[in-house]
Parts: sequence; structure tokens; C-alpha cells
Amino acid sequence: DIQMTQSPSSLSASVGDRVTITCRASQTITTYLHWYQQKPGKPPNLLIYAASSLQSGVPSRFSGSGSGTDFTLTISSLQPEDFATYFCQQSYTIPHTFGQGTKLEIK
Amino acid sequence: QVQLQQSGPGLLKPSQTLSLICAISGDSISSNSAAWNWIRQSPSRGLEWLGRTYYRSRWYNDYAVSVKSRISIDPDTSKNQFSLQLNSVTPEDTAVYYCAREAMATRNWFDPWGQGTLVTVSS
Repeated sequence: DIQMTQSPSSLSASVGDRVTITCRASQTITTYLHWYQQKPGKPPNLLIYAASSLQSGVPSRFSGSGSGTDFTLTISSLQPEDFATYFCQQSYTIPHTFGQGTKLEIK
Repeated sequence: QVQLQQSGPGLLKPSQTLSLICAISGDSISSNSAAWNWIRQSPSRGLEWLGRTYYRSRWYNDYAVSVKSRISIDPDTSKNQFSLQLNSVTPEDTAVYYCAREAMATRNWFDPWGQGTLVTVSS
């Protein structure tokens, strides 16, 4: 199975900050990498697909980059509604696997 | 707009069978560009993909090795829904279970997800 490792596991930041979350795959996954946001009691919500494509309806302050094994999710200017947990997921091979999550908290 | 609605019991005893349904609206379970997945989430295991079913001239299934001997994911074309059955549950199977549509024509992301069902296994 492909292992997905996110860093950091948790992050404290302030409204207006620029934040970057990284995700590393244990082998190459080209751009079969997707990012989700999850709020308490809700299912994950797709933010970025294919490493860098913004899902319809997602604010443009979210962006993704990377290919191969190393990927980043960037939030350019944190808003109050962005405090949540973020997950990466690879779909290069079965089984699809997820990172352990990055919890973004208010400083 | 595709929507997924989950249903099924949330409390089981060890050795019982977990059964959940995911009803699809806005798409066809027989779509050639989608697969229909079950994923669970627990504090100890994180997000764990369990398996999927999809139609490409015939029905296919893929399952996670960790549950392969106990799981069945089946389509119901008459009701445009699919089901999850997990046999011989233990407390380790306690989790929130989600169904999700996989976009197979491109890079296979999950969107949308069902609302989630908390399943607790306890004697």
C-alpha cells in the first residue's frame, strides 16, 4: 500500500495568515493526489483534485501543487471558516489511502 | 448535483453483521464514469478505504485486504443504491462509515460523500 504522510499533524495560525500543509507519498503517484477539508460531525469535502485543480465552489485562497511524491496545500489568507482538519488522499493505486490529517487551529 | 443518503443501524453486538445502504440521486449507479465506495473513519485508524463497486459492461468489486474476507458491496439497480455488508464485527469495527462517489473518468477523487453513519460495536 502507498503510505501518505502529512505534516504538520497540527498547526496553530491566525486569521489572515498564509498556511502550507505538506503531504508525501511513499512512492510516486504522479498527480493522483486530492485534498479534503473536514469539519466536526461532517464528511470530508473535496477542495483540490488532481494535485492542483480547484473544485467548483471552493474559494480561490486554496491552492495545491506538486507531483510525484511531494505535494502542498496552501491557504493564502486564513478565514475563520477555514479552521478544520485537512486530509490528502492518493488514488494512484488500490487501496486508496489517506494522510493522517492536519488539524488547523486558531492561535 | 449528485447526492448520497445513507441509512442503517448504528449499534451492533460483536459477531453481528453490519449492513448499510447508500441511496444515489442525481446519477446512475450504472454510470460508466463512476465507482461507488465505502470508507470508514475512526480515531485509531483514520480514514480507511474499504471497497467499491462499479459497472463496466459488468459489475466489478475491489476490497481492502484488511476486510476482504468479511465484506460485500453490492449494487441495487432497481433502487439506484448500493450496500455495505461487513460480517462478524468486533469493537475494532466501531467507526463512522461513509459512502462516496469516485470520479473514475479522470483522477479518481471522492465527491460527494454521504452524511456518515456512526456504527458502534459493543456487547
